[in-house]
Formats: sequence, C-alpha cells, structure tokens
Amino acid sequence: DQQVKQNSPSLSVQEGRISILNCDYTNSMFDYFLWYKKYPAEGPTFLISISSIKDKNEDGRFTVFLNKSAKHLSLHIVPSQPGDSAVYFCAAISSGSARQLTFGSGTQLTVLP
Amino acid sequence: NAGVTQTPKFRILKIGQSMTLQCTQDMNHNYMYWYRQDPGMGLKLIYYSVGAGITDKGEVPNGYNVSRSTTEDFPLRLELAAPSQTSVYFCASNEGSTEAFFGQGTRLTVV
Repeated sequence: DQQVKQNSPSLSVQEGRISILNCDYTNSMFDYFLWYKKYPAEGPTFLISISSIKDKNEDGRFTVFLNKSAKHLSLHIVPSQPGDSAVYFCAAISSGSARQLTFGSGTQLTVLP
Repeated sequence: NAGVTQTPKFRILKIGQSMTLQCTQDMNHNYMYWYRQDPGMGLKLIYYSVGAGITDKGEVPNGYNVSRSTTEDFPLRLELAAPSQTSVYFCASNEGSTEAFFGQGTRLTVV
C-alpha cells in the first residue's frame, strides 16, 4: 500500500529545458511535502518543501506545486543543468505525534548536455 | 558541523551474524529515524524515536532493534542477519516539521 507514488522511474531532459517530476499521494492526513535529491553513494539531501496550506513554493530554479484536490504535487526545475542529474524523492509528513517521512520510490533525472 | 554521522559505511555479514549500525547527530534533534533503501525502491521506515528513551516501530521493523539512551545516538541492531536485510541503511534526524537531515548511509550485504 504505497501512500506516496512516483510513477516515472526515470526522466531525461535536455540542458536548459524544464524538468517536471510528479508525485501522487493517497493519505489525506499528509500536511507537509518535501522533495529530496540523492546522488549515488550519498544520503538524500533536502531540496524544497511545501505546506498543505499553500499551492506553490519557489526557491531559485526549483518550484513545487501542490494540488490538494487531486492529491498531486510536482517539482519544476528551470532551467535544468547537468548537475541536477540525480534521483529525486518525493516525501510527505502526516499530522500526528511523530513527524516521520513517507517516501515515494524516486525518479532518476538525467539532464543531457 | 558534522550533522548526522553513520558508521560503518560498508559491511559484509554472514547469515546469522549480528551487528550494530551506529548513528549520531550533533544538531540536538529530538526526532531520529532509520530507513532502508532497496534497489529501485523508496526509503522505508524501520524504526523511529521522538526523544531519548522513546522508540517505535516503522513500516518494516522485523529483524531489527533500536535504543535511544541519549539525544545524540540512535543505534540500529541486527540480531540474526538474513539475506533479505541486504540494503542501504540511512539514519536521519529532524526537529518537528522541519526537513530531515540524512547520514551518508551504510551499505550492508548479507551472504
């Protein structure tokens, strides 16, 4: 029972173009969403987050959009750079006593020069 | 500022052996977590702790044990290693709703 789903295992984008990574969730108790980036042989690093009271959050080249009615969020990277090539994980936190992250399975982004 | 430190980075265990994966954080975070990542999969929560002396099971706790005697340390114990426990293990910490900080991971192979 996957509560956070990333249906695209991989995505290839040309340098300079937009990368759009998608994530769907099923648990309506999730109230905070995060994107993590992971390089090989390293731990995940935080990229950007969004609270359920917002529908957009922007940080430089990275923007996260949240559509609560569709239980869908997306990460836009503009413009994409070769250094952005990594696995991107969507994660969610549910309101409750312990704020543990529930992760999606990840999307491997490859930015082609 | 070390953040979250995990040791060892790599380990090969024989079936039935035991070991402890160490995790320590220097950010004074109350919340700590252990995740495992299998190939092509997301991170699955093994155990978590909301403070010293308090631990609870996550999604995949079988075959593991944890303890939290101090705020800084959250070791993960494998008592009888099995091939199904071959994975990459990540320790993480955060404070409430802030983003979690992860260690670099421990790659464990059970043969």
